[in-house]
Formats: sequence, structure tokens, C-alpha cells
Amino acid sequence: GAGVSQSPSNKVTEKGKDVELRCDPISGHTALYWYRQSLGQGLEFLIYFQGNSAPDKSGLPSDRFSAERTGGSVSTLTIQRTQQEDSAVYLCASSLVALAGVNSYEQYFGPGTRLTVT
Amino acid sequence: KQEVTQIPAALSVPEGENLVLNCSFTDSAIYNLQWFRQDPGKGLTSLLLIQSSQREQTSGRLNASLDKSSGRSTLYIAASQPGDSATYLCAVSPAGTYKYIFGTGTRLKVLA
Repeated sequence: GAGVSQSPSNKVTEKGKDVELRCDPISGHTALYWYRQSLGQGLEFLIYFQGNSAPDKSGLPSDRFSAERTGGSVSTLTIQRTQQEDSAVYLCASSLVALAGVNSYEQYFGPGTRLTVT
Repeated sequence: KQEVTQIPAALSVPEGENLVLNCSFTDSAIYNLQWFRQDPGKGLTSLLLIQSSQREQTSGRLNASLDKSSGRSTLYIAASQPGDSATYLCAVSPAGTYKYIFGTGTRLKVLA
């Protein structure tokens, strides 16, 4: 595929259930980012992966949120014991490279996963 | 703490007008500034990326400028068209981090 893909496109879950959201970055992109877009909060950073480095988890809102990136490609964002305030659109982005001391490269976004917690 | 503000929040113009969208940020230590458009229910489409060493970038009818010292960027859209109707977001990557801090967006409507 030419772009970032995310699945599922929509997810409805009951409060208290766990959910997994998937992101396939652009082939060859070493940096992967997760963001969340919710009404009243705008677009906020969650977590960032770059190659084999430890991820930057500074944006994760609680310990119910976690993410992993396997083989430097696909990433999964997991939300445990979902709450209604977790309802949002979760966006994934990738960029070619982001190195310390070097300007970051352009981020390309996927279509997002709309999560609704009932 | 880096904060990004976009003015105006909403804008409605007749087709053919040239227009300017504004983005301001509080900390001038940035790596990049990127402009995006977002159509309703869709993801973000990248428009222009300006690296910290650059002053402007152009793509077709779009021109983005960056003044790091004053913490400002503008997106200029020439000869606006109804297809330009969308929400425009600017985002900055603070130096030392790679995450983007997003503005709240400008919702643009171009009337035919």
C-alpha cells in the first residue's frame, strides 16, 4: 500500500472491555506515532517509536494505554478496561526518519480508528 | 510548555479570494512546522512541511511561511476554490522531541 493504514476503521465497545487498534506504516518508514483526536481536546500526542530505541510514552494518558511495535513495522495500541472518555479517533502516522539533532521528516497520517465506548 | 494557536477558528469566503491562515507558537525552539488539511470524518493530509532552517515552502496555490523568532507561521491560499473547504491544522515539533503539538485548527468554507 502507498499510505498508512489502520484497522478497524470503527470500533464500538462496552465500558470495561479491552480493545486493540492496529497501524501499518508506510514501508521503509522508521518512525511511528500515535495521536488521539477527541472533541474538546483537539489532536494530542500519545506515543512515538523510532527504530529500536525505547518509545516516547510521555503522551499516554494512563497506564490503561500501551502500545508495541513488532519488527519495526506494524504497531498495536491497546486500551484496557475502556472508559467512556476514551471515545475518540485514534490516528497513526509514520515518517521516514527522525534522528536526534536532525530535523524531523514529514509525518503521513492514516485514516484513523473511531472508537466509541458505550 | 509549547502551545499552538490558530486564528481565526472559522472562516467563510467567496470563491476566488486569496486568504491567509495564521498559526502561532509559544516556544521558538522547533524542528519543523507542518500544515495539514482534514476533511470531515477523514484523516490528515499533509500540505507543506517547513524545516526550522527554512523560511517558506510552496506547493501549487499554497504558500507557507515561518518566522521562528516571532513564533508565527502563515498559510496563504491563492484563488480559493470550494474544494479547499476543510479544517486546516498546523503542528510543530519542539526541538528535542519528535511528537507534534497541534493547533486547534481553522475551519474554512469556500462558497461557490
